Amino acid sequence: GDSVTQMEGPVTLSEEAFLTINCTYTATGYPSLFWYVQYPGEGLQLLLKATKADDKGSNKGFEATYRKETTSFHLEKGSVQVSDSAVYFCALSAGTYKYIFGTGTRLKVLA
Amino acid sequence: EAEVAQSPRYKITEKSQAVAFWCDPISGHATLYWYRQILGQGPELLVQFQDESVVDDSQLPKDRFSAERLKGVDSTLKIQPAELGDSAMYLCASSRSGGGGSYNEQFFGPGTRLTVL
Repeated sequence: GDSVTQMEGPVTLSEEAFLTINCTYTATGYPSLFWYVQYPGEGLQLLLKATKADDKGSNKGFEATYRKETTSFHLEKGSVQVSDSAVYFCALSAGTYKYIFGTGTRLKVLA
Repeated sequence: EAEVAQSPRYKITEKSQAVAFWCDPISGHATLYWYRQILGQGPELLVQFQDESVVDDSQLPKDRFSAERLKGVDSTLKIQPAELGDSAMYLCASSRSGGGGSYNEQFFGPGTRLTVL
């Protein structure tokens, strides 16, 4: 079945460091891919998305490229801030309504 | 900006009691989803509604969980009786449609955190 695998956290970085959170997927067909962010005590917010191969989603300095050949959608940011501390979820939607989420990666950014 | 509303935000109950959660989706969104998110895990779909009809409840523990969306707008998720293992965040989401593509982009509410003692 469809699945999403994320790197385990927590990831701890100093402010202004470079961030990469790995995400790989298994799906039939051509899924849409998403990154969601969850701040403490809150619901999930869509961070960025890509709907076809080679698309790059970007928002708030974060970006991720849909790589069909490696079935990956890694999240990157050039310079993290303390306010980026949150849990990040990779998800896919493979042609139907259903979203499949990864287990989440907690990011902690230290001042 | 329109948001998905959920209440209560927090609920503490004792096992064997009944609990209910409410969700009001973004106006005009035909599709509504209930997810359960266990601490340290990603959300898992419990039930999906298209208007007032259930489209998928394959992961809903029907012996104790029920969900309804009577008028195709707001929705209620009920657990009776609650068990210790039901402690989790219950998230509601909505989308304009249930199909593929950009129209099924899901918008999440803040969630209800349930603690069963």
